[in-house]
Amino acid sequence: GQQLNQSPQSMFIQEGEDVSMNCTSSSIFNTWLWYKQDPGEGPVLLIALYKAGELTSNGRLTAQFGITRKDSFLNISASIPSDVGIYFCAGQLYYGNKLVFGAGTILRVKS
Amino acid sequence: NAGVTQTPKFQVLKTGQSMTLQCAQDMNHEYMSWYRQDPGMGLRLIHYSVGAGITDQGEVPNGYNVSRSTTEDFPLRLLSAAPSQTSVYFCASSYGIAGGQETQYFGPGTRLLVL
Repeated sequence: GQQLNQSPQSMFIQEGEDVSMNCTSSSIFNTWLWYKQDPGEGPVLLIALYKAGELTSNGRLTAQFGITRKDSFLNISASIPSDVGIYFCAGQLYYGNKLVFGAGTILRVKS
Repeated sequence: NAGVTQTPKFQVLKTGQSMTLQCAQDMNHEYMSWYRQDPGMGLRLIHYSVGAGITDQGEVPNGYNVSRSTTEDFPLRLLSAAPSQTSVYFCASSYGIAGGQETQYFGPGTRLLVL
């Protein structure tokens, strides 16, 4: 089946640093989603991308839908301790199709 | 609104035991789904439902049954638990098919250990 490769697997950064993570696929998607999961909680949607090349921001978060439709990037600027958690990407081939999730990026922040 | 609720939060089972994981939502969402989360694997879809009376299999349905008798509830049944079913289980719901233009809301999860 379809697979998403998400990297890095984990990051341990200093508070105030910027963070970048990405997801790549061997096949195209028409929707890319980014979720955050706090410890002990379910994932929460951060950003949704619906168009190739689209760049969308949500506060300190910025995500991009790759031109090839096979990748997406998430950047977090000026990290803070509450950014700690697991970040998941998810792709959807077309409306009505099931979501495919990446394995997640574990983010830890040193204050 | 309580959103998506799941019970129990934690459960320990012996191999061969059966149990039902409960999921309920009070947002009148048509679309509900069950995922399992394993280390390094992300979230994998077990079963989903597009409305009351309609269910379908996801990526990893073996060993699990579901039913959808009401819009609000979507229980997941393990008929004969196996150690391979040790995982964290998430229920999710959305107004329409998740992803298109619909935000999918996740419950807090059920942590299951099968000995």
